[in-house]
Amino acid sequence: ETGVTQTPRHLVMGMTNKKSLKCEQHLGHNAMYWYKQSAKKPLELMFVYSLEERVENNSVPSRFSPECPNSSHLFLHLHTLQPEDSALYLCASSRLTGGLYEQYFGPGTRLTVT
Amino acid sequence: TQLLEQSPQFLSIQEGENLTVYCNSSSVFSSLQWYRQEPGEGPVLLVTVVTGGEVKKLKRLTFQFGDARKDSSLHITAAQPGDTGLYLCAGEQTGANNLFFGTGTRLTVIP
Repeated sequence: ETGVTQTPRHLVMGMTNKKSLKCEQHLGHNAMYWYKQSAKKPLELMFVYSLEERVENNSVPSRFSPECPNSSHLFLHLHTLQPEDSALYLCASSRLTGGLYEQYFGPGTRLTVT
Repeated sequence: TQLLEQSPQFLSIQEGENLTVYCNSSSVFSSLQWYRQEPGEGPVLLVTVVTGGEVKKLKRLTFQFGDARKDSSLHITAAQPGDTGLYLCAGEQTGANNLFFGTGTRLTVIP
């Protein structure tokens, strides 16, 4: 399998549930990202991992908890979410090539919080 | 927050027409990228421009980076239904470890 994969593609969860989103990249990249994409809003960067260390946390509520066990895998753990957290969650990876963070995205997980 | 404003926000045109999408900011970027996102998928990188005034062509798509590296445009010639999607520009700044994404332009090409 090539590129960036995300599972599950769709997720419906209640506000008291705990779930995790998974991302895997097969491109040999050393940086991974979580984005949130909502209707009528620009793409929002949530977390950045570079060489498996978190380097950016964009004021994301603690009900979202990222984990990067190695350079190929990225998780987003979810607990006690709110309905306004319903969105498309996109994972991306990149390799710093001559100063360019060209990003390769997965297909996303469509999350609905009920 | 380094805001990249894209215009128009929505665009619906007939097949065969030409169009231009704009990406503007008050900030300077070391590079600017354009992505296209189709429904149900993640954004896909189309092109990266690095030098002020640079013009890149990808088949019917022409990308230009402003001389001051604060803005960019995407021109599509003879649009086709396959060009339908959300077009996103994204800027990179020296020293930052992420991209700043624009507000997006949703294009629909009607057969």
